[in-house]
Amino acid sequence: DAMVIQNPRYQVTQFGKPVTLSCSQTLNHNVMYWYQQKSSQAPKLLFHYYDKDFNNEADTPDNFQSRRPNTSFCFLDIRSPGLGDAAMYLCATSRGSTVSEAFFGQGTRLTVV
Amino acid sequence: GESVGLHLPTLSVQEGDNSIINCAYSNSASDYFIWYKQESGKGPQFIIDIRSNMDKRQGQRVTVLLNKTVKHLSLQIAATQPGDSAVYFCAETSPGYSTLTFGKGTMLLVSP
Repeated sequence: DAMVIQNPRYQVTQFGKPVTLSCSQTLNHNVMYWYQQKSSQAPKLLFHYYDKDFNNEADTPDNFQSRRPNTSFCFLDIRSPGLGDAAMYLCATSRGSTVSEAFFGQGTRLTVV
Repeated sequence: GESVGLHLPTLSVQEGDNSIINCAYSNSASDYFIWYKQESGKGPQFIIDIRSNMDKRQGQRVTVLLNKTVKHLSLQIAATQPGDSAVYFCAETSPGYSTLTFGKGTMLLVSP
């Protein structure tokens, strides 16, 4: 059974139109991460939550926001998508205060038209 | 659309060969390392991990070697199979940090 579920798998949005990607987990892990992955590149961390504590990476654009209403769900909001935001967005979870194995979802492929 | 990505280093092997994928890391304080396998259109999948107090760890058909002196990590896959074809990433973290940093990937192509 899938443990980290991302919806939708594929999302097409218009340039400048806000879009929200969702992630849910059944693992009850404390930490949830959002990564951006462009073609042939490594995943790049955007931000993560440790419980309700939000941790933003220094180089994450303000255009990207996140919400975590409860342990199970986390959302990635892109306020005004640009063409350069087209990518695979990966959600991951891990337990505890020190990082251990991170479990990834299948990702959402975002296309901006 | 999406910006043009970098070309990934590629390792091409024949089915049944042993494969060795290498990774250099930059942070000498990193103390935990993971190898992930990512198939096309899917999320990364955990393969094996190693902590810095070890220099070798073995799993089923896979072995990870850690050389802290030169900050080098390798993944060895025995008897490589077509199903092993994927992009392989190493990831690292440092004490006190709760996040993983990914290295550049390597594409493994296994031909029958």
